[in-house]
Amino acid sequence: QKEVEQNSGPLSVPEGAIASLNCTYSDRGSQSFFWYRQYSGKSPELIMSIYSNGDKEDGRFTAQLNKASQYVSLLIRDSQPSDSATYLCAVIEGYGGSQGNLIFGKGTKLSVKP
Amino acid sequence: EPEVTQTPSHQVTQMGQEVILRCVPISNHLYFYWYRQILGQKVEFLVSFYNNEISEKSEIFDDQFSVERPDGSNFTLKIRSTKLEDSAMYFCASSDGTDEKLFFGSGTQLSVL
Repeated sequence: QKEVEQNSGPLSVPEGAIASLNCTYSDRGSQSFFWYRQYSGKSPELIMSIYSNGDKEDGRFTAQLNKASQYVSLLIRDSQPSDSATYLCAVIEGYGGSQGNLIFGKGTKLSVKP
Repeated sequence: EPEVTQTPSHQVTQMGQEVILRCVPISNHLYFYWYRQILGQKVEFLVSFYNNEISEKSEIFDDQFSVERPDGSNFTLKIRSTKLEDSAMYFCASSDGTDEKLFFGSGTQLSVL
C-alpha cells in the first residue's frame, strides 16, 4: 500500500514567520510531487509541483524534494493569516502510476496567528 | 479564469437510491477524474477517464460506480445503490495532459441517510 505521511498538526506560526511543512512517501519510484492547499469545506487548490531534487521557488512558497530520503517539504515565507489552511502533499505513484492518480497525505493544518 | 464546475453542491439521498453527480471540466482539458473525501479523512482517488474510457480505477470504484461523458462538456459519476459509507465530498478534477497538474471543482457533498 503506497503511503504519503504528514504531521496532522496543527502547526501554529506567528504572522510574518516561516512555516515549514513536511511530507514523506513510501513509493521510491514516485517522480511527481505536489502541494495543495485546502480551506475548510473547500476543494484542493494546487500551489506547487516539483519533479527534481532540490528547491523550487514560486513567490513566498518554496518546495524542496529529496528523493533519496523520500521527503518533500513546503516552506511558506512571510506567513499571512490567509495562509491558514490544511496543506496536502500528493504524489503520483511511480513505475506505471498513471497521470492523475494522486496519492494524498492527510494534510497538515496550518494556523497563522496575527 | 477557467474552472471546473460541479452540480449539485449538496445532495441528500436515501440509502439504496441512485445518484448522479455532474461536472463540467475545463474546456480544453482531456483528462477527467473523480476523487472523494470522507469527513476528516484523506482525499482518495476513484477513477480517471480519457478518450471516452476509464484509464484507471481504485478499489473503491466497484460495480456500483460508473462514469460517463454523455456529451462534449459534461462528465458524470453515478452511484447505483448508495450506502451510508458513500457519504463524502466528491471532487471532479481535470487536466490538459501536458503536465500532471489537476484542477479540482468545488465538490458535491453527498449525504446518504
